[in-house]
Amino acid sequence: SAVISQKPSRDICQRGTSLTIQCQVDSQVTMMFWYRQQPGQSLTLIATANQGSEATYESGFVIDKFPISRPNLTFSTLTVSNMSPEDSSIYLCSVDLKNEQFFGPGTRLTVL
Amino acid sequence: AQSVTQLGSHVSVSEGALVLLRCNYSSSVPPYLFWYVQYPNQGLQLLLKYTTGATLVKGINGFEAEFKKSETSFHLTKPSAHMSDAAEYFCAVSERYSSASKIIFGSGTRLSIRP
Repeated sequence: SAVISQKPSRDICQRGTSLTIQCQVDSQVTMMFWYRQQPGQSLTLIATANQGSEATYESGFVIDKFPISRPNLTFSTLTVSNMSPEDSSIYLCSVDLKNEQFFGPGTRLTVL
Repeated sequence: AQSVTQLGSHVSVSEGALVLLRCNYSSSVPPYLFWYVQYPNQGLQLLLKYTTGATLVKGINGFEAEFKKSETSFHLTKPSAHMSDAAEYFCAVSERYSSASKIIFGSGTRLSIRP
């Protein structure tokens, strides 16, 4: 299995600012994924992050709004840029390990 | 392209009754199928998954699901509901043999248990 940690666990931010969320996994993995779970909603994939290459974004998500870094095989960051109240969500990272996907505990973001 | 449809955003059953949460999927290639559970204010936990082999899959907490290719379904069942089963349940699909391995989630079903 994989153990995933995220920082921060929660934050309250002002409109127009940016927040960077960190994701650390205890195993080396090729792909990491970032999801968003808006209040009362399901999970929506934001992007897939491969080490050493640009992230692949899903429809409706763009790099300028959600820049992602993937500097090594155990770490990734997601930045939520120029935040608005609509960005208030739980952001989760996940990894695929031996055909099973493991999820981090999530970062609960509230934008005022 | 893949998609998942969960029928019923909210299901309520009595304690001790059968739990049935419905999930239908669409996939152009053989799928991997998953059920996840999310308890209030907690992260996602994998209940069970189907990859290959036996189509009836047993998971944690007494849950099981059956992959029916002809019906493109992967319904989740539990013979006897317990109060602790109250949670949000997500069905999900990913592409077998795909290097991307991204998971597409259904909209979720909130399960309530009546005493």
